[in-house]
Amino acid sequence: AQSVTQPDIHITVSEGASLELRCNYSYGATPYLFWYVQSPGQGLQLLLKYFSGDTLVQGIKGFEAEFKRSQSSFNLRKPSVHWSDAAEYFCAVAGWGGGKLIFGQGTELSVKP
Amino acid sequence: DTAVSQTPKYLVTQMGNDKSIKCEQNLGHDTMYWYKQDSKKFLKIMFSYNNKELIINETVPNRFSPKSPDKAHLNLHINSLELGDSAVYFCASSQARDLPTGELFFGEGSRLTVL
Repeated sequence: AQSVTQPDIHITVSEGASLELRCNYSYGATPYLFWYVQSPGQGLQLLLKYFSGDTLVQGIKGFEAEFKRSQSSFNLRKPSVHWSDAAEYFCAVAGWGGGKLIFGQGTELSVKP
Repeated sequence: DTAVSQTPKYLVTQMGNDKSIKCEQNLGHDTMYWYKQDSKKFLKIMFSYNNKELIINETVPNRFSPKSPDKAHLNLHINSLELGDSAVYFCASSQARDLPTGELFFGEGSRLTVL
């Protein structure tokens, strides 16, 4: 069965520091992977997605993620975090024809000045 | 204009009552979804409709009944509300029925509190 694990429930980083949020997936075939961000009281917004091709994908707001098949991972990174990045981040997986996203538990990011 | 809009944004009600949440999207998408986010922020799909046809129904109690009068609207009706129904319900839409070819656009959520 498809599943997504985000090992870190809560991460705190200093503004300007680099960020890496971890995501591990379980899926038998080629996964389709997504990162979404949820600001407080808001819906989810797509940051980036991986379908195929280059394993390093660029997204909005300066985020990038790298797909590593050997590690079943799709970690999200940002070189310099801004206070406005404080939010909940969700990794998700979808299978072709599945028509649905399976979400991880989410990682809450706090940014300290 | 809000792409995916849900009403109401907040809903507080008593156990046993029946309530509805409405969703509308103006993106011209064919597929709409209901997701439930529990108190631990875990998101799980409940239903999906493609052009008014139910295509996903994820072992949700019969008390939950989605209705799609047209492809731009997907409403969620909940009968005999229980304490465990308290959650944030998100409506979403996508252009493609198969997600890998598209992305989900989410509404802002409807926070349901059952007392």
